[in-house]
Amino acid sequence: GDSVTQMEGPVTLSEEAFLTINCTYTATGYPSLFWYVQYPGEGLQLLLKATKADDKGSNKGFEATYRKETTSFHLEKGSVQVSDSAVYFCARYNQGGKLIFGQGTELSVKP
Amino acid sequence: SQTIHQWPATLVQPVGSPLSLECTVEGTSNPNLYWYRQAAGRGLQLLFYSVGIGQISSEVPQNLSASRPQDRQFILSSKKLLLSDSGFYLCAWSVSSGPQPQHFGDGTRLSIL
Repeated sequence: GDSVTQMEGPVTLSEEAFLTINCTYTATGYPSLFWYVQYPGEGLQLLLKATKADDKGSNKGFEATYRKETTSFHLEKGSVQVSDSAVYFCARYNQGGKLIFGQGTELSVKP
Repeated sequence: SQTIHQWPATLVQPVGSPLSLECTVEGTSNPNLYWYRQAAGRGLQLLFYSVGIGQISSEVPQNLSASRPQDRQFILSSKKLLLSDSGFYLCAWSVSSGPQPQHFGDGTRLSIL
């Protein structure tokens, strides 16, 4: 069935380092894609989205580009901060209003 | 703007006791509503979703049930809690049409003793 696969965590970076969190999906067609962020003890917040091939979603310095050739939607940030420490979830839209989530990638940024 | 409220934020319950978690959405009509559970390993498991009043779909067999008595109210219940029901419960809503994102509440941390 359709799925979303994220890179294993935890990912540990120093402040101001470059971040990439890989996400690939399986799908028929071109589903909308999303990145969510979950800070400790909180619910998930929508970080960015892309609705069609080659779209680039961006928010708070994070970016992800919808790549249909590689069925990927990797999350990137040029310079991470300690406050970016959280769990990041990649998701794709599924029929019936449901989302398929990846397993989450924990990011820890050290000062 | 739309907002979603979940309560309580934390709950400690003995095994065998009943459960009622409530979720309400404001600022939108006829939303899709969802209940998720997040276990310690971080993954999200969809428990129930609803496309309208009284319409509930269950994703996995379990000890829990859901109800939607009003358009913007979604309730998660159990008659007798099990130890395995412990976890972080998240309610979410989305616009009812098209490939839209879901928007999450702040969650309820449920501990079963």
